[in-house]
Amino acid sequence: NAGVTQTPKFQVLKTGQSMTLQCAQDMNHNSMYWYRQDPGMGLRLIYYSASEGTTDKGEVPNGYNVSRLNKREFSLRLESAAPSQTSVYFCASTLTVNTEAFFGQGTRLTVV
Amino acid sequence: GDSVTQMEGPVTLSEEAFLTINCTYTATGYPSLFWYVQYPGEGLQLLLKATKADDKGSNKGFEATYRKETTSFHLEKGSVQVSDSAVYFCALSDPYAGNNRKLIWGLGTSLAVNP
Repeated sequence: NAGVTQTPKFQVLKTGQSMTLQCAQDMNHNSMYWYRQDPGMGLRLIYYSASEGTTDKGEVPNGYNVSRLNKREFSLRLESAAPSQTSVYFCASTLTVNTEAFFGQGTRLTVV
Repeated sequence: GDSVTQMEGPVTLSEEAFLTINCTYTATGYPSLFWYVQYPGEGLQLLLKATKADDKGSNKGFEATYRKETTSFHLEKGSVQVSDSAVYFCALSDPYAGNNRKLIWGLGTSLAVNP
């Protein structure tokens, strides 16, 4: 069972470069999420998609965009990377709003 | 709005010690409650859950009871092992939060177990 798959696992960017983090789930889940995790700050929600065709801002959306490409895939784009975006990024999915989340393995992003 | 508060870490214990990690919540309605665990270098994974008051979730020797009267969901384990060293997150999902429905997370509690 693949579950939630994120790519890439590691990435180093220069300030101002752009990149897209990919996420796919094979559990037929309706909702998908992008989080960032920084030391001492827990998980912070960047964007989420409650269902296919919808996306909403989370706590820290500035500097990011998302696309819910289809029910399986939810990508996160950094248009112009900044050092403050150095973090570990997690994608997650849930069947419905009241069910448990399944997480990807994370993407460790460093912006220099 | 909804929130989750869990005890700050790090928590350091010796092997076979008793573990409690406190978690309290505020919610509009009747949320589901979760504990997740994150081992070093990995993503989060569900440890246990409870969906209604007085439910007890359990897994891998860990337990937590959904206490509506105290709005708490404390995580306990009777005898920790070195392999339990990880970060533990408490979370809730409130189906009555309208358009703002999504998981609400605590900040995480780091646990280190020494041999």
